[in-house]
Amino acid sequence: SQQGEEDPQALSIQEGENATMNCSYKTSINNLQWYRQNSGRGLVHLILIRSNEREKHSGRLRVTLDTSKKSSSLLITASRAADTASYFCATFTSGTYKYIFGTGTRLKVLA
Amino acid sequence: DSGVTQTPKHLITATGQRVTLRCSPRSGDLSVYWYQQSLDQGLQFLIHYYNGEERAKGNILERFSAQQFPDLHSELNLSSLELGDSALYFCASSVGGAGTGAGEQYFGPGTRLTVT
Repeated sequence: SQQGEEDPQALSIQEGENATMNCSYKTSINNLQWYRQNSGRGLVHLILIRSNEREKHSGRLRVTLDTSKKSSSLLITASRAADTASYFCATFTSGTYKYIFGTGTRLKVLA
Repeated sequence: DSGVTQTPKHLITATGQRVTLRCSPRSGDLSVYWYQQSLDQGLQFLIHYYNGEERAKGNILERFSAQQFPDLHSELNLSSLELGDSALYFCASSVGGAGTGAGEQYFGPGTRLTVT
């Protein structure tokens, strides 16, 4: 299975609601990042959290990291229709120089 | 606009053929990464180059090869193409990648390859 697996696979919410996505991984990491992808387009970096950090905020985004559980969550508050996209977590391990992307969560925000 | 450029945007070719995808990283970025995204496999890491040297290999087939040139642009060569190679191929770049300093990646718009 993949290093990073997002949960849920798909999420549909109303505009203004909060959206929470989870990511689990298997090995030790240096950092974990979240990316957004609009349909068929390149990924856009949202936020990076290092292994020694537990929580990070950026605008309407809040990311948490629990290295003991090897999991992270992305919270988008007060969602907007423009937030409709797929969201991926990616882990980086310096020993391997690899970024491993999860399977993604498809978020749909209904206006 | 991420600053990463990829050419061509679309490529349609027949099975058995060979193609070359090109990527120019953001100015100042030393690392280039290649990914394959298909509906059934998700986003798969293929290979990472840092300042002209191969750093890591992922799920890259032997039919595929890549290189990074002295001007830091990179090419991904796909040969003996099969129907299953049809996918979006993304290139990404980052400043670091040589160690714990690896940070965010900037993705290009991708090349959509269709093998018929």
